[in-house]
Amino acid sequence: AQSVAQPEDQVNVAEGNPLTVKCTYSVSGNPYLFWYVQYPNRGLQFLLKYITGDNLVKGSYGFEAEFNKSQTSFHLKKPSALVSDSALYFCAVRAILTGGGNKLTFGTGTQLKVEL
Amino acid sequence: DGGITQSPKYLFRKEGQNVTLSCEQNLNHDAMYWYRQDPGQGLRLIYYSQIVNDFQKGDIAEGYSVSREKKESFPLTVTSAQKNPTAFYLCASRPGLARETQYFGPGTRLLVL
Repeated sequence: AQSVAQPEDQVNVAEGNPLTVKCTYSVSGNPYLFWYVQYPNRGLQFLLKYITGDNLVKGSYGFEAEFNKSQTSFHLKKPSALVSDSALYFCAVRAILTGGGNKLTFGTGTQLKVEL
Repeated sequence: DGGITQSPKYLFRKEGQNVTLSCEQNLNHDAMYWYRQDPGQGLRLIYYSQIVNDFQKGDIAEGYSVSREKKESFPLTVTSAQKNPTAFYLCASRPGLARETQYFGPGTRLLVL
């Protein structure tokens, strides 16, 4: 069964410093991996995805993620954090459903807090 | 959020009452999903639909029901059998190809009176 682990419930970083939000996955076959961001009382916004190709994926708002097959990781990164990046971040992996089609299996989320 | 609307934003349910959450999309997406979000648990799949007039149970379907009579609409009913309905409910949709991204609506918060 597919699964995603986000080992940190919260990450604190100073504005202007680089940030990393960690994600590891378990999946049979080739992984399709996603990052979403959620602001309070809002839906999830898509940031980026890895399907195939370059291991470094660039996404919205200056975020990028590095796919590492040997470590089964897909960490989210940003070179310089902004206070406005403070939000809840979810990593997800595509899972094939027994009835056909697919769904996303989500991690439990990491709260990012960027401080001045 | 663009292209997927959910209503109402807040919904209050009395004990023993069935309530229906609306989800509409104008993106011409084939697949639609309902997730439930509880603090510290991430998102869990309730129901999904790949095409009109077809839907399947997800991981936590008990106490919920859905319909998919139109491509644009995928309403979720929270029945009285759902004993712990307080949560944030998110609807999502996706184009037909498996590699395509799921896009989410703004959510409905359901509270029990």
